[in-house]
Amino acid sequence: EVQLVETGGGLVQPGESLRISCAASGYTFTNYALVWVRQAPGKGLEFVSGITSRGDYTSYANSVRGRFIISRDTSKNTVYLHMGSLQPEDTAFYYCARTTYTSPDYWGQGTLVTVSS
Amino acid sequence: DVVMTQSPLSLSVTLGQPASISCRSSQSLVHSDGSTYLSWYQQRPGQSPRRLIYKVSYRDSGVPDRISGSGSGTDFTLKISSVEAEDLGVYYCMQGTHWPNTFGQGIKLEIK
Repeated sequence: EVQLVETGGGLVQPGESLRISCAASGYTFTNYALVWVRQAPGKGLEFVSGITSRGDYTSYANSVRGRFIISRDTSKNTVYLHMGSLQPEDTAFYYCARTTYTSPDYWGQGTLVTVSS
Repeated sequence: DVVMTQSPLSLSVTLGQPASISCRSSQSLVHSDGSTYLSWYQQRPGQSPRRLIYKVSYRDSGVPDRISGSGSGTDFTLKISSVEAEDLGVYYCMQGTHWPNTFGQGIKLEIK
């Protein structure tokens, strides 16, 4: 069974950094791209970042480019999102998702990141 | 970025009646490989999104055949032939042709 489990969310102050993780299981990790999608409370879905199956290409939304970095550790079947210079508008549930046909098929349950002073 | 615009703004449907959601993209979603990467998602209250349709019209495993997708180029439609109680939630279209992927704003389907 494919499972994606996000961890690492929490409350941080504006300007601080945070790293969230997504542990994948139930499939061959290196065969699929992974993406991060966020959802502010009560709002819609926003693509944040993605990494290809080979880890050779990454993509970012304009709103986070230069502040966020996506990476992965194939020995741990885990993808990370390093978030820097966090602002209140970054407050959201952050979901990781595996992709097939360039769109997310399996999603995690999400982790909440709150940026507030 | 490609802008995805969904309509109507909201939808209230009687059980057993059909429902239709439209999605329009600001540019063609035909990829250089010839495929069109347009997907549909349902998000029930308190849950993660669930993919229903990929590549315009292919249903994911477990999706009932009363749910269908169609369209081409920049105009796409999700149809539910006979709405059931489990269909309530917010529906999003998403394009995966151009980086970064982008979602529509979401349409809330309510049951009358």
